[in-house]
Amino acid sequence: GAGVSQSPRYKVAKRGQDVALRCDPISGHVSLFWYQQALGQGPEFLTYFQNEAQLDKSGLPSDRFFAERPEGSVSTLKIQRTQQEDSAVYLCASSKRSSEKLFFGSGTQLSVL
Amino acid sequence: GDSVTQMEGPVTLSEEAFLTINCTYTATGYPSLFWYVQYPGEGLQLLLKATKADDKGSNKGFEATYRKETTSFHLEKGSVQVSDSAVYFCALTKGQGGSEKLVFGKGTKLTVNP
Repeated sequence: GAGVSQSPRYKVAKRGQDVALRCDPISGHVSLFWYQQALGQGPEFLTYFQNEAQLDKSGLPSDRFFAERPEGSVSTLKIQRTQQEDSAVYLCASSKRSSEKLFFGSGTQLSVL
Repeated sequence: GDSVTQMEGPVTLSEEAFLTINCTYTATGYPSLFWYVQYPGEGLQLLLKATKADDKGSNKGFEATYRKETTSFHLEKGSVQVSDSAVYFCALTKGQGGSEKLVFGKGTKLTVNP
C-alpha cells in the first residue's frame, strides 16, 4: 500500500520567501509528526498532531513556522520569511495510533539561498 | 533534557565483518529505545526497538540490548552485507501525554564493501 508521501521532494527558496510543505500520511493514521533534519544531524522534533488537534508544537524553532492538519489527514508545514538556517530536510511521519510504529516519508529537502 | 549520543562515523567494513555501533542515552524515567535505518534515497525505517531494561530487540540479523546500568543500546550484527550500507540512527522516546516524539542521535553512516 501507499506510504507517507511528501511534496515537493526538493524546494529552493530565496531568503524571505514563504514556503509550504505537504504531507500525505497513510490513510487512517491518527498521529502525525514533523521533524527537521539538518545536514549531518539526526532528525529533530517540530510538532505533533492527533487527528486535527496540534497537541505539541514545542519544537517549532520560531513563530515563522506554522503547521496545520485541518481535516485530520493531510498536513502542511508553512515557513514564512525563510532564512538560510531553515535549509534542511523536513520529514513527516505517521502512525495508526500514538505509541504504534511510525512510518516516515522520504522528506522535502529545502534549500534557502 | 533527554539526549542520545552515538559513535561518530563514517564506518567502513568489508562484507562479513562484525559490526558494532555504540549508542548511549541520557533520560529521566524509563525511555523506550530504537534503532532506525535510512537507506540511500529512502525514508527512515524502524529497524528494532526495546521498551524496558534487559530487553533485546532484533531484526534482519541486527541486535541491540537495553542496558539500564550503562544507559546503552549498542547495535550489533555478526556478518554485514553490502546491502546494509545505510545511515543508522539511535533514538529514544518518553511517550508522555500520548505524544511519542523521538529524540535522535546524529546518525552513523555505514559503508560495506564487497
